[in-house]
Amino acid sequence: NAGVTQTPKFQVLKTGQSMTLQCAQDMNHEYMSWYRQDPGMGLRLIHYSVGAGITDQGEVPNGYNVSRSTTEDFPLRLLSAAPSQTSVYFCASSKLLPGPLGVTGELFFGEGSRLTVL
Amino acid sequence: AQSVTQLGSHVSVSEGALVLLRCNYSSSVPPYLFWYVQYPNQGLQLLLKYTSAATLVKGINGFEAEFKKSETSFHLTKPSAHMSDAAEYFCAVLYGGSQGNLIFGKGTKLSVKP
Repeated sequence: NAGVTQTPKFQVLKTGQSMTLQCAQDMNHEYMSWYRQDPGMGLRLIHYSVGAGITDQGEVPNGYNVSRSTTEDFPLRLLSAAPSQTSVYFCASSKLLPGPLGVTGELFFGEGSRLTVL
Repeated sequence: AQSVTQLGSHVSVSEGALVLLRCNYSSSVPPYLFWYVQYPNQGLQLLLKYTSAATLVKGINGFEAEFKKSETSFHLTKPSAHMSDAAEYFCAVLYGGSQGNLIFGKGTKLSVKP
């Protein structure tokens, strides 16, 4: 029972490099999202998706791209890494329910990817 | 803008003492409210949720939270702290029209002294 799997767990980049953080879930959840966690800042939403082919921006989307070609996968791409992107990144998923609210709020999180940009 | 505020970034209690972690939300309509817990080097996991069925919500590991509309609060409590409760706790709110996106507080780190 894997749940939400994130890779890599740790990564060090140089300024200007690009990379992709992978996220996969095996619960057939329609909703997936990426957060970054910084000390004293809580979790801030980067991008989210409510289904394959549908993505949207969250609170802090600049410098990141996402795509959702399948229900299972939701990769996060850093286009040109900057020291300000040093953070712990979490992928989360959830079911969608019929009705106007949709998301249950019951997120399942991966274990996180710790990124350092030098 | 809608927000959620957690009072106290660090709370320290003795083992066996009452745990009280505070959360207030800003909203003109009743939201859905959640508490999540994060153990060291792990992702967050759901502790409990309020969805208007009952104002007192019981969660896992003996935690509970009470929704008080008049105070716009959703404080988390546990009668007797255990060493294993040491973790960071996040309050989160979900509003209708938010496209299903949770808004998280900044977190409260709970330390439990022997």
